[in-house]
Amino acid sequence: AQSVTQLDSQVPVFEEAPVELRCNYSSSVSVYLFWYVQYPNQGLQLLLKYLSGSTLVKGINGFEAEFNKSQTSFHLRKPSVHISDTAEYFCAVSRIIGFQKLVFGTGTRLLVSP
Amino acid sequence: DTEVTQTPKHLVMGMTNKKSLKCEQHMGHRAMYWYKQKAKKPPELMFVYSYEKLSINESVPSRFSPECPNSSLLNLHLHALQPEDSALYLCASSQGGQPPALHFGNGTRLTVT
Repeated sequence: AQSVTQLDSQVPVFEEAPVELRCNYSSSVSVYLFWYVQYPNQGLQLLLKYLSGSTLVKGINGFEAEFNKSQTSFHLRKPSVHISDTAEYFCAVSRIIGFQKLVFGTGTRLLVSP
Repeated sequence: DTEVTQTPKHLVMGMTNKKSLKCEQHMGHRAMYWYKQKAKKPPELMFVYSYEKLSINESVPSRFSPECPNSSLLNLHLHALQPEDSALYLCASSQGGQPPALHFGNGTRLTVT
């Protein structure tokens, strides 16, 4: 079975500062990795995904994430955040072989203040 | 604008009512999903339809009944719900196959009184 750990339930940051949201996963098989964002009163939107190849993945809205197989991590970063980035961020994994159920982490609330 | 449309946005129903949630996508996706999300929690998978056939039921109580009339539509029929079923119900779709990059709707906020 796969599991995802997002240790930070909430990350406060000032506008224009850099941010890193941490994600660690556990799996006995190879996985795909995803980051989703959920703005208030909305569904989830795919930010970026890692399938294979380059370990640095660029997504929408200036976000990027780096896959580190040895540390089983997939941390999300943005060099300069905006107020509009305030949202809930979910890391998720799915196995590559077999039914690809998305397993979500518990989420990290990013709070950007002026 | 979301490409997966869910109606209604909000629904309040009594425990004896029967209601339905609707989901529509026109991206040609062949897999559609229902998720349940409680406040401050991640989404939990309920059902998966693949090519209009139910492929996954995550041991969901029978008071929730999914239906996929065609490849663009997904319904969730509700009957005799409990107050603890109050949640945000999210529909999602994907191309099917690999990988499961899901496109979510904005959800229906359900309150059971």
